[in-house]
Amino acid sequence: NAGVTQTPKFQVLKTGQSMTLQCAQDMNHNSMYWYRQDPGMGLRLIYYSASEGTTDKGEVPNGYNVSRLNKREFSLRLESAAPSQTSVYFCASSERWTDEQYFGPGTRLTVT
Amino acid sequence: QKEVEQNSGPLSVPEGAIASLNCTYSDRGSQSFFWYRQYSGKSPELIMSIYSNGDKEDGRFTAQLNKASQYVSLLIRDSQPSDSATYLCAGKLSGGTSYGKLTFGQGTILTVHP
Repeated sequence: NAGVTQTPKFQVLKTGQSMTLQCAQDMNHNSMYWYRQDPGMGLRLIYYSASEGTTDKGEVPNGYNVSRLNKREFSLRLESAAPSQTSVYFCASSERWTDEQYFGPGTRLTVT
Repeated sequence: QKEVEQNSGPLSVPEGAIASLNCTYSDRGSQSFFWYRQYSGKSPELIMSIYSNGDKEDGRFTAQLNKASQYVSLLIRDSQPSDSATYLCAGKLSGGTSYGKLTFGQGTILTVHP
């Protein structure tokens, strides 16, 4: 099992450009999450999906949109990138009954 | 007030010593707690889960939960240089219908020196 996979691993965008970060899990988990991690700020939840067909805002949703494409895949879209969105983005998934979250390898995004 | 707070660190211990990492939380109804290890440039890796009061041991790691005092700790026995990493405490807050939604502390950097 690959666990949680994310693409791309690295990305550089110019201000105003758009992009989609992809995430997939093969653990048959119901719930999926997108976090960003910044120095001194810890992990902050952007959006989550408790189950296929549902999505909810987390702590820092502004400037992002998400799509739960199916049970396996959860994508994060930046419509108009800003330098403040320079960060490391992690996707995670969990089984409802244990709440244990498993993380993907991350995407390092730089917006210039 | 942050909902999950970790001792500020950084923490430095000699090889072979016990490393003690602490975390407090503000939501008295919180049920589940987790410790993650994150190496520099890598993603968080789950190392311990604890759901009830008391101790839970797994190899060199012991997680302790005290709901009355609202704290969680992680003890690492016989610390090794390979344990050098940032340790994140996370808790599932009570209330709502947000299954699995966790709140993370800021992390404690642990360095184990030979």
